[in-house]
Amino acid sequence: NAGVMQNPRHLVRRRGQEARLRCSPMKGHSHVYWYRQLPEEGLKFMVYLQKENIIDESGMPKERFSAEFPKEGPSILRIQQVVRGDSAAYFCASSPRRGDTDTQYFGPGTRLTVL
Amino acid sequence: GNSVTQMEGPVTLSEEAFLTINCTYTATGYPSLFWYVQYPGEGLQLLLKATKADDKGSNKGFEATYRKETTSFHLEKGSVQVSDSAVYFCALSIGGSEKLVFGKGTKLTVNP
Repeated sequence: NAGVMQNPRHLVRRRGQEARLRCSPMKGHSHVYWYRQLPEEGLKFMVYLQKENIIDESGMPKERFSAEFPKEGPSILRIQQVVRGDSAAYFCASSPRRGDTDTQYFGPGTRLTVL
Repeated sequence: GNSVTQMEGPVTLSEEAFLTINCTYTATGYPSLFWYVQYPGEGLQLLLKATKADDKGSNKGFEATYRKETTSFHLEKGSVQVSDSAVYFCALSIGGSEKLVFGKGTKLTVNP
């Protein structure tokens, strides 16, 4: 059973470009969470999604950031018009059940660098 | 609000030394507590957890006890190895919430 997969592992963008980060949850998991890890910081919750639904986006910046988890395919975290402050590691986690933080499994992360 | 405070790093130890990484929390509800480990270039892995007061989580020689009276969940290991070098994160979740709240992480380096 493959773990949580994220791609790309490393992404370099220039200021003003768009960044698309993908997350494929573990097989059988229908709940996806995105976290951001700024340099020298812990992970901060961004958004929680189920298939075709955003359940909690209280950690998402109000502008430029969006997330989706379509019926088919991976979850996508999109950052429009990136700025240097968006440089961070973005981690995705998945779980089979709602509200079950005991079974949040993390992917290896995407490290975004904005030049 | 809910928050986690863990000791500032980095921590450098010699092999076979005793390890303690302090973690305290503030929570509006009754949290579950976790320790995650992040090896270089990898994602987080759950190391151990405890879901109620006085529970002891343990794994790979690491232990942590959920202390409600001191709101703490300190990580300990009796004899560290070079392979334990990593960043360790303390985290909590409140029942019914899907969010994990993390501390800033403590980088541990174990020298041979």
